[in-house]
Amino acid sequence: KNEVEQSPQNLTAQEGEFITINCSYSVGISALHWLQQHPGGGIVSLFMLSSGKKKHGRLIATINIQEKHSSLHITASHPRDSAVYICAVSSQGAQKLVFGQGTRLTINP
Amino acid sequence: DTAVSQTPKYLVTQMGNDKSIKCEQNLGHDTMYWYKQDSKKFLKIMFSYNNKELIINETVPNRFSPKSPDKAHLNLHINSLELGDSAVYFCATSPGRRTGELFFGEGSRLTVL
Repeated sequence: KNEVEQSPQNLTAQEGEFITINCSYSVGISALHWLQQHPGGGIVSLFMLSSGKKKHGRLIATINIQEKHSSLHITASHPRDSAVYICAVSSQGAQKLVFGQGTRLTINP
Repeated sequence: DTAVSQTPKYLVTQMGNDKSIKCEQNLGHDTMYWYKQDSKKFLKIMFSYNNKELIINETVPNRFSPKSPDKAHLNLHINSLELGDSAVYFCATSPGRRTGELFFGEGSRLTVL
């Protein structure tokens, strides 16, 4: 089993819906990253967090260290949010990231 | 001015050939990485360099050899290419040795025929 599991693997929603993508991990971490990969292939870092909650525009990321779980929320979703969202963790003491398998999000107009 | 640039973006070659992918960053970051993304879009680290020093070398065939001529460059050379090497290779940087926020290049799609 992968150290980082995301759910759902695929998500299709209508424009305007509230979106939640989940990430669970099994190791102690120093930080968790949320990345976005658009159909063109480029990868952009959305958030890096080690506790609590961060917000950027319509995106919100939360993490619960005790439960080893993080969520990425998108409010008022838009077709341009369609992308693959990837969760990654840096293990405590390690200097590398371990990635989840990604969640493919499609927002229909 | 692209922060992390990779060349080439697309590379199609025959099995057995040797090829290189170049990565350059203008962010002044200390740490650079090579990641491989397979056909299922799964990302996996290959190498990490900090100030030209190799700090991570995952279980990668020794046909793959990274080279960092200076802090701003990390190139990936691949010898005797195999079909299974077909993937998208991403270069990335972060400010410090412990993984901070990552900045990715646009990826280099390698197809081995």
